Amino acid sequence: DTAVSQTPKYLVTQMGNDKSIKCEQNLGHDTMYWYKQDSKKFLKIMFSYNNKELIINETVPNRFSPKSPDKAHLNLHINSLELGDSAVYFCASSPGNNYGYTFGSGTRLTVV
Amino acid sequence: GNSVTQMEGPVTLSEEAFLTINCTYTATGYPSLFWYVQYPGEGLQLLLKATKADDKGSNKGFEATYRKETTSFHLEKGSVQVSDSAVYFCAWGGGATNKLIFGTGTLLAVQP
Repeated sequence: DTAVSQTPKYLVTQMGNDKSIKCEQNLGHDTMYWYKQDSKKFLKIMFSYNNKELIINETVPNRFSPKSPDKAHLNLHINSLELGDSAVYFCASSPGNNYGYTFGSGTRLTVV
Repeated sequence: GNSVTQMEGPVTLSEEAFLTINCTYTATGYPSLFWYVQYPGEGLQLLLKATKADDKGSNKGFEATYRKETTSFHLEKGSVQVSDSAVYFCAWGGGATNKLIFGTGTLLAVQP
């Protein structure tokens, strides 16, 4: 039973398209996150929701829009995709401070 | 600002060698410290953590001690195996949003 699941695992799309990545967690955690991992493995936080409320919104182009319909789901929609958006996007969830995160297996986005 | 610095890789060792991966942090307050491991093609998995000064986190033969005086959280293992080959990330987290700040990752390659 996967704790944090992301779909799709791979996404290849053309520049200018709009795409969404979905994330679901069955751990009962209150907080969910989106991270971007670039080609050098560097991880940068993008967004976080706590019980459907946006609590972290880092410096991310406004083409990226997160949505949390309930505390078990956090989706990421990207408009007008650019080559530089190619990366692996990780969803994660956490029950609170000091517990760390549980990560999904990632979505590899390739923009051509 | 808040940051994590870890030694650059790749680190290449023979099986049964001793491993140290250095990690230092800059943070306000008293963060929790974590080590995550990422195997090829997978998401990050929590390896160990420490939530206060002088705590030692340990798991699967890996250890790290939270040293407030040197702001360090070095990862060690007495005898590495080929199956330990992965990318290791040091991270600190805390505060109202429980944001995790990651180091750049260290690739460990263990040869038989």
